Amino acid sequence: QVTLKESGPGMLQPSKTLSLTCSFSGFSLSTSGMVVSWIRQPSGKSLEWLAAIDWDGDKYYNPSLKSRLTVSKDTSNTQVFLKITSVDIADTATYYCARRDNNYGGFDYWGQGVMVTVSS
Amino acid sequence: EIVLTQSPTTTAASPGEKVTITCLASSSVSNMYWYQQKSGASPKLLIYSTSSLASGVPDRFSGSGSGTSYSLTINTMEAEDAATYYCQQWSSNPLTFGSGTKLEIK
Repeated sequence: QVTLKESGPGMLQPSKTLSLTCSFSGFSLSTSGMVVSWIRQPSGKSLEWLAAIDWDGDKYYNPSLKSRLTVSKDTSNTQVFLKITSVDIADTATYYCARRDNNYGGFDYWGQGVMVTVSS
Repeated sequence: EIVLTQSPTTTAASPGEKVTITCLASSSVSNMYWYQQKSGASPKLLIYSTSSLASGVPDRFSGSGSGTSYSLTINTMEAEDAATYYCQQWSSNPLTFGSGTKLEIK
């Protein structure tokens, strides 16, 4: 049974660094074809893809945010991390991690999401 | 960046009615993916690789299209299908989602 769960600070101040963790089970990120992505959704708005890391450790970023993003994974391949530097109010959103199996191509499993509010 | 434009933005359908949602890409893409998101929930994969039904998805859902024009069809609307639907591509970086179509039950 595949599950993913995001965790984060809930609220942070502008200009700080946001650190998010995606903890997952039921699959290994070391398995060929597996990819974990971060996607966010401001309240009432559409989805925005942020970054991804694959089974080989290759990383992919949304060019519009690349300078502020760092995606990484742990050595046990059960957690993926995302750091966003210099946050501002526009980064307020629900942040999701999701699994993509390159054999199918879509995001077939999603976490429940974690709400992050940037406020002074 | 490939922009995905969905239409309609909002629509409503009666039970049993056929519903079609369109996704137009600003450049050609090789495949389209479709998600359903109910209020307060995470998105759920409906269609992958343009026309393949994801596991557990009722067969009243179908997808089609090619190039820059794709569509999601619900053959017979049910009350549980009321949700927002998103298309998504990753033929080129960055991966992008459409702006969403809100489907309501009449």
